[in-house]
Amino acid sequence: GAVVSQHPSWVICKSGTSVKIECRSLDFQATTMFWYRQFPKQSLMLMATSNEGSKATYEQGVEKDKFLINHASLTLSTLTVTSAHPEDSSFYICSGGGGQETQYFGPGTRLLVL
Amino acid sequence: QKEVEQDPGPLSVPEGAIVSLNCTYSNSAFQYFMWYRQYSRKGPELLMYTYSSGNKEDGRFTAQVDKSSKYISLFIRDSQPSDSATYLCAMGLYGNNRLAFGKGNQVVVIP
Repeated sequence: GAVVSQHPSWVICKSGTSVKIECRSLDFQATTMFWYRQFPKQSLMLMATSNEGSKATYEQGVEKDKFLINHASLTLSTLTVTSAHPEDSSFYICSGGGGQETQYFGPGTRLLVL
Repeated sequence: QKEVEQDPGPLSVPEGAIVSLNCTYSNSAFQYFMWYRQYSRKGPELLMYTYSSGNKEDGRFTAQVDKSSKYISLFIRDSQPSDSATYLCAMGLYGNNRLAFGKGNQVVVIP
């Protein structure tokens, strides 16, 4: 299957700082990338959908000014959590849209805000 | 009513047993169905993809879809400890990459 990488895999930061998470499709071009959040023992919650070269579409309740998404190329999307707070601590997972409507997920980034 | 319902478990089975997982959904428009496996602290990996009613086999895994009942299942034969993970069902519509996910069902295979 297609490979998606995420960096970093784990980040700890102080409250009020910003954190950038990179998502790369390594062996396919992802016109569309998705960002999810997952709390312990919960399912994936879609935060936003990003299309290469255009603005991201955010789900209801997700602050676009807090979670900045950039999809500058067909292989790279970034999520920046601005002015992070402890409640932003979560597991963030990206996915790239593959053929046959499937999504290929990255390994996730665990964010801990102190 | 949620779009996709999945009993979160956990489900514990002895090694070698058959694992049976299922999801129900409310939107009859869904056209394709998937099962993902997620190990702890990892991203989900695609296990099975189907788009028609009936069974699809891949090794020890069988995905079953019943569109008339809006019900999908995943069976794991000869379960192994390495099958211990959370299994998420997902479904979607052609032309729309957005997926609706179940909550995930945690499976523990006991050696």
